[in-house]
Amino acid sequence: QSALTQPPSASGSPGQSVTISCTGTSSDVGTYNYVSWYQQHPGKAPKLIIFEVSKRPSGVPDRFSGSKSGNTASLTVSGLQAEDEADYYCSSYAGSDNVVFGGGTKLTVL
Amino acid sequence: QVQLQESGPGLVKPSETPSLTCTVSGYSISSGYYWGWIRQPPGKGLEWIGSIYHTGSTYYNPSLKSRVTISVDRSKNQFSLKLSSVTAADTAVYYCARVVATAVTPLDYWGQGILVTVSP
Repeated sequence: QSALTQPPSASGSPGQSVTISCTGTSSDVGTYNYVSWYQQHPGKAPKLIIFEVSKRPSGVPDRFSGSKSGNTASLTVSGLQAEDEADYYCSSYAGSDNVVFGGGTKLTVL
Repeated sequence: QVQLQESGPGLVKPSETPSLTCTVSGYSISSGYYWGWIRQPPGKGLEWIGSIYHTGSTYYNPSLKSRVTISVDRSKNQFSLKLSSVTAADTAVYYCARVVATAVTPLDYWGQGILVTVSP
């Protein structure tokens, strides 16, 4: 299966909003609402921040939001803070009990 | 608090079949959920390897299926990964995680990861 497509980098100033896209196909993102987003700081394990397209686990700030349109999912980080600087990965259920990840986006807070 | 901890060899030789173990604390594997393995080559993205239920039911990434075996030991609250015929391309940080909702996604609790280097 092919990986989901994410921009390699994104950036924004503190307080601003930034949106990261995640493009798949009709076999994954376009069909299933099992899109997740993970935040990974250097040297750390990924952390689940969005699941089922737009749901936030307990403890994740509401500055993080997710959405989906067609074959593309998006993660929006509002009110950027220095601690949001990290790598972000999307993933999607791809049918037949299989899951695919995006290549990751490095978010820089300017 | 659910915690996961990976263990195993940090350095293996090409063609070997290393085994990694994930020890779960704060939650009984037998209570439910699937449990998975994910890897990340240095400087690269995440790749799902496979997952297992406490009954032994497994799902594997099609691209790795021929070389992967995941097993569970309910008495020790552990699950394990064996990857056969490793090459340098298998050098990666290997993570174990708990799977919620479906058998393969999303992953809500992760171990800290263990770097496995394949080198002669």
